[in-house]
Amino acid sequence: EAGVAQSPRYKIIEKRQSVAFWCNPISGHATLYWYQQILGQGPKLLIQFQNNGVVDDSQLPKDRFSAERLKGVDSTLKIQPAKLEDSAVYLCASSFSTSGSAPYEQYFGPGTRLTVT
Amino acid sequence: TQLLEQSPQFLSIQEGENLTVYCNSSSVFSSLQWYRQEPGEGPVLLVTVVTGGEVKKLKRLTFQFGDARKDSSLHITAAQPGDTGLYLCAGTRGADGLTFGKGTHLIIQP
Repeated sequence: EAGVAQSPRYKIIEKRQSVAFWCNPISGHATLYWYQQILGQGPKLLIQFQNNGVVDDSQLPKDRFSAERLKGVDSTLKIQPAKLEDSAVYLCASSFSTSGSAPYEQYFGPGTRLTVT
Repeated sequence: TQLLEQSPQFLSIQEGENLTVYCNSSSVFSSLQWYRQEPGEGPVLLVTVVTGGEVKKLKRLTFQFGDARKDSSLHITAAQPGDTGLYLCAGTRGADGLTFGKGTHLIIQP
């Protein structure tokens, strides 16, 4: 079974530039998550999708971050414009369960390491 | 405010020693998960505990969920260099995304 795919693996941009990350979850997984992991910390949930709908985006800085999952499969996360403090690893995860059932296992991709200079 | 506090933050021990890392919270979680993350990779699930007081064993790793479902521990017996990594605990309260602790960086020296 193929795992969660993410691209690119690494990205270096200057502040105020834009960047986009792509995630393809495990086939059949209804729920998709984007996490931000700053160096030395645990992942922080940015947004959770259930199929193509947003379940939780309370911690997404909406003035600069946006995410979509138009067809309920793959997803993109965009930052525009980037700030120095956005330097982090952006992890995508997916799970099979639908909203309302727990516990569930989340499968993580390898992440995209973003450096903002 | 960190919802899940992990301790210690860093731990370096010799191969063959035993160790315990802790995950504490003032909040109740419906389930708690432990993940292991290696450099350049995403976290990989080790175990999920659901019932207060639950103990689960995975080879040399023993996981315990506190009776009040607010805390958990991970005990490793006879640690090996392959156990080196970042150990993360994460809690969930229903169908929400996971809330992670900051992790324990574990180094096992040969």
